Amino acid sequence: DGGITQSPKYLFRKEGQNVTLSCEQNLNHDAMYWYRQDPGQGLRLIYYSQIVNDFQKGDIAEGYSVSREKKESFPLTVTSAQKNPTAFYLCASSILNPGEQFFGPGTRLTVL
Amino acid sequence: GQQVMQIPQYQHVQEGEDFTTYCNSSTTLSNIQWYKQRPGGHPVFLIQLVKSGEVKKQKRLTFQFGEAKKNSSLHITATQTTDVGTYFCGWGETSGSRLTFGEGTQLTVNP
Repeated sequence: DGGITQSPKYLFRKEGQNVTLSCEQNLNHDAMYWYRQDPGQGLRLIYYSQIVNDFQKGDIAEGYSVSREKKESFPLTVTSAQKNPTAFYLCASSILNPGEQFFGPGTRLTVL
Repeated sequence: GQQVMQIPQYQHVQEGEDFTTYCNSSTTLSNIQWYKQRPGGHPVFLIQLVKSGEVKKQKRLTFQFGEAKKNSSLHITATQTTDVGTYFCGWGETSGSRLTFGEGTQLTVNP
């Protein structure tokens, strides 16, 4: 089955802790993206990557970091510098940028 | 700077009524995409429009891109309860650029 996987579905962390969200795709897509969605809100771009070992900041990159060491993987770290980290995090990928984006199921992060 | 508004924010309809959501830009767009997100789910791609005046249909859904490439609409004919969800437009300002998403239109359908 081809697709994008994100794990875990729900994640709880204490304030002040860094946390890494996983995103893996087996679609052979070059471009990958991380979005944040707050209740009743649209999708805001955190980071995106068009090729391995390269990535660009989106609109709300502060307090987040990413890496793209492999084509299939684009992990997102939510650092303690992110002031309001509780949100729904969506990973997506596409063949082209921009092209049809395929989204993973998302991770709901709650920071207590 | 670039300003794109998606309206309305919410729409409640009776089953069988039509529904339309709009994305309106102050400047010319390179392309626009539409996505649907069911409650509790993730966005799913519906369509991409790139040409001026383009109209595409998918069963009861009609998508339009304005002649000036500043406006786009998604129209659903005779809504069904399965149409419930939030519809997002995402636009590219230039060819090859990332997408920016609107805030979405949340559709509820009363049976």
